Amino acid sequence: EIVLTQSPDTVSLSPGEGATLSCRASQSVSSRWVAWYQQKPGQTPRLLIYGASNRATGIPDRFSGSGSGTDFTLTISRVEPEDFAVYYCQQYAASRTFGQGTKVEMK
Amino acid sequence: QVQLVQSGAEVKKPGSSVRVSCRTSGASFNTYIVAWLRQAPGQGLEWMGKIVPIVGVGDKAHKFQGRVTFTADKSTSTAYMDLSSLTSADTAVYYCARETSQGYFDFWGQGSPVIVSS
Repeated sequence: EIVLTQSPDTVSLSPGEGATLSCRASQSVSSRWVAWYQQKPGQTPRLLIYGASNRATGIPDRFSGSGSGTDFTLTISRVEPEDFAVYYCQQYAASRTFGQGTKVEMK
Repeated sequence: QVQLVQSGAEVKKPGSSVRVSCRTSGASFNTYIVAWLRQAPGQGLEWMGKIVPIVGVGDKAHKFQGRVTFTADKSTSTAYMDLSSLTSADTAVYYCARETSQGYFDFWGQGSPVIVSS
């Protein structure tokens, strides 16, 4: 099983600041088969990024994904008030597993 | 507009079973892969498995082998997840989601809370 470890566990930001969220895999993820999701309290997860760097339909361009091999990153260029949430990475190269999540909270 | 609408909350006794339904609309059911995931209170997401309704077969995460069954009713475009031998560790919100052919999840149901308590 591919284990995904996200860091940091929590990041505190002010609106307008940038955010860099990391997702490290226990083994190489082939074909960059990594997705990112956003989940707000009491809500369903929302697909942000698939294929490591492709934005899903309707996702603002302040969200971007990058990476390959074992290291993947979600970047929020300028955090908006509606971006405070928990973010999960997921790999789908070998079965499906998720990271433990990174909480983006307001400073 | 793809939609997945799940059944409501359930409270179950340890040792019993639960069925969660997931009614789909907005796209042909024959094109779906329906995945099942769960999220324990305050925890992350866990993939349980999937079913391909058009052929009625799928896949299960090793952890749930022998305890979970996925079925689909093509006449009502509804998928079902049955989980048996419940323990308190199965207390979670259960989600169905549309799994793409690659393996990520682009549309989600609203979630079905299941509480296992004596």
